[in-house]
Amino acid sequence: KNEVEQSPQNLTAQEGEFITINCSYSVGISALHWLQQHPGGGIVSLFMLSSGKKKHGRLIATINIQEKHSSLHITASHPRDSAVYICAVFYGGATNKLIFGTGTLLAVQP
Amino acid sequence: DGGITQSPKYLFRKEGQNVTLSCEQNLNHDAMYWYRQDPGQGLRLIYYSQIVNDFQKGDIAEGYSVSREKKESFPLTVTSAQKNPTAFYLCASSSGQGFYNEQFFGPGTRLTVL
Repeated sequence: KNEVEQSPQNLTAQEGEFITINCSYSVGISALHWLQQHPGGGIVSLFMLSSGKKKHGRLIATINIQEKHSSLHITASHPRDSAVYICAVFYGGATNKLIFGTGTLLAVQP
Repeated sequence: DGGITQSPKYLFRKEGQNVTLSCEQNLNHDAMYWYRQDPGQGLRLIYYSQIVNDFQKGDIAEGYSVSREKKESFPLTVTSAQKNPTAFYLCASSSGQGFYNEQFFGPGTRLTVL
């Protein structure tokens, strides 16, 4: 069982829709990253958060430490948002590891 | 422009050959990482280096080797001992040491074994 679970695996939306991608993890973490991978393969870091909520433009990321769950929201989605969105959790301390989810493939249709 | 470059973008290798993937960064970052990405799987860490002349094995280091002789360069060699080397390889760097810090990724190299 992967230590990081993302849902859905695939998502198709119409332009303008509000999108939510979910990430769940099994044990306590120190921080969580959201990444975006473009069709060409390049990866961009979107957010790193350890509590609460962060917002950047049309993207919002939230994390609930008690429930071991994070969400990435995209408001007013656009075809250029089409990409794979990857959640990665950081286990600190002696573990010191970054574990990646398998990603959510998002396609936004005009 | 600051960033990470990887070369080549596509690489084809015959079985039994060693190949070296290049990763260069001009961000003045201390830490550098190599990841492997396979379809349906999350990124997996091959090797990482937190400082020049030092590096550590990641989760799947067998069949790979690295060097870190310069701060800006972290080449990865895929040896013939790697049983299934066909994959997408990503290099990353971060300003701080440790996985807590934001990582900046290169464009990747797609390696295919013929």
